Amino acid sequence: DSGVTQTPKHLITATGQRVTLRCSPRSGDLSVYWYQQSLDQGLQFLIQYYNGEERAKGNILERFSAQQFPDLHSELNLSSLELGDSALYFCASSVEASGGSYEQYFGPGTRLTVT
Amino acid sequence: GQSLEQPSEVTAVEGAIVQINCTYQTSGFYGLSWYQQHDGGAPTFLSYNALDGLEETGRFSSFLSRSDSYGYLLLQELQMKDSASYFCALVGATNKLIFGTGTLLAVQP
Repeated sequence: DSGVTQTPKHLITATGQRVTLRCSPRSGDLSVYWYQQSLDQGLQFLIQYYNGEERAKGNILERFSAQQFPDLHSELNLSSLELGDSALYFCASSVEASGGSYEQYFGPGTRLTVT
Repeated sequence: GQSLEQPSEVTAVEGAIVQINCTYQTSGFYGLSWYQQHDGGAPTFLSYNALDGLEETGRFSSFLSRSDSYGYLLLQELQMKDSASYFCALVGATNKLIFGTGTLLAVQP
């Protein structure tokens, strides 16, 4: 158990809908990362937050947005869902947001299926 | 951009040694990490190389050569439980990870 929690574990929804994925980082970790894993794209970095502020952005679609709240939990919002958004979404956390604190702890993931 | 290439599959026998290679293209990075992922599970951290050379952690070792844009993960005394996917990842300035294509390791008895 990494100490990172994600809810829900599974999500099935229809095209065009909007969903929210939730992540609670390990106690004491200030940085939260979101990754998408799909068969055709592999593991891709989406976005990073550090202590409530956006720190880095990756291959995140404009239909997707995220935020980190004062209690450090984070939410990833996916809207106007398409079939291709079906994937495993991981949240990870680390203490810092610098190149020196390298280890990230991953949550169990949310499996999103868009029908 | 950044990209990392790994062999898609590797097969080895229990008790043997296996090496998983990773070649990358990037304009800058802090280090190279390795993560293990069992089927459908969360990636877990294995190793990190900030500098060129070999880092050893138990049965796992990882190597980095910045001049060759190359790294590898060495797994010794293979066990059945080592059957999993292994990912190399470039660690960026903000600690974000750019993952490689992944290698599926199958350990046979």
